[in-house]
Amino acid sequence: NAGVTQTPKFQVLKTGQSMTLQCAQDMNHEYMSWYRQDPGMGLRLIHYSVGAGITDQGEVPNGYNVSRSTTEDFPLRLLSAAPSQTSVYFCASRRTSGGRETQYFGPGTRLLVL
Amino acid sequence: SQQGEEDPQALSIQEGENATMNCSYKTSINNLQWYRQNSGRGLVHLILIRSNEREKHSGRLRVTLDTSKKSSSLLITASRAADTASYFCATDAVDDYKLSFGAGTTVTVRA
Repeated sequence: NAGVTQTPKFQVLKTGQSMTLQCAQDMNHEYMSWYRQDPGMGLRLIHYSVGAGITDQGEVPNGYNVSRSTTEDFPLRLLSAAPSQTSVYFCASRRTSGGRETQYFGPGTRLLVL
Repeated sequence: SQQGEEDPQALSIQEGENATMNCSYKTSINNLQWYRQNSGRGLVHLILIRSNEREKHSGRLRVTLDTSKKSSSLLITASRAADTASYFCATDAVDDYKLSFGAGTTVTVRA
């Protein structure tokens, strides 16, 4: 199993540009989520999904969109990038039944918005 | 707002010493988890303690949970240079699937 994969690893954007951060998992996990990590702030939840076709907002959703058309994929879209979105983005997944506890993280995407 | 808050923010110890960090949270939980993050990497799950458990061990890790005080502690015994990392607590709330993370404790183990 590849676990949770994220692409790209690093991206530079100009203010106003849009882009999609990709996330995929091959563990058949129902729950997937996106976090951003900023210095001294820990991880803050952006959006999450409990299954295909179901998404919901987390703590800091503004400026981001998500969709969940398949169990495996959970892309995060930045509609119009702003310097405040410079951060490291982590995708994660976990089961929602049985042994739901452990959350698996991807390696992260470092985003710089100029 | 974040559910968990770790204390201290940073910790520097000598190799071989023990490291203790604490986590406080606000709402009812199913379980509390601890994760480690090495610099520039993703988070790795270390240990989970359920709400009906008070103490749990895994190798050199010892976790305690006091639900009456809404607090947990992580003890790393006989620390090694490889334990240098940031440690985060995460709470699994009763009423949803979201894991909420604290700001973390940065541990530096000096050789």
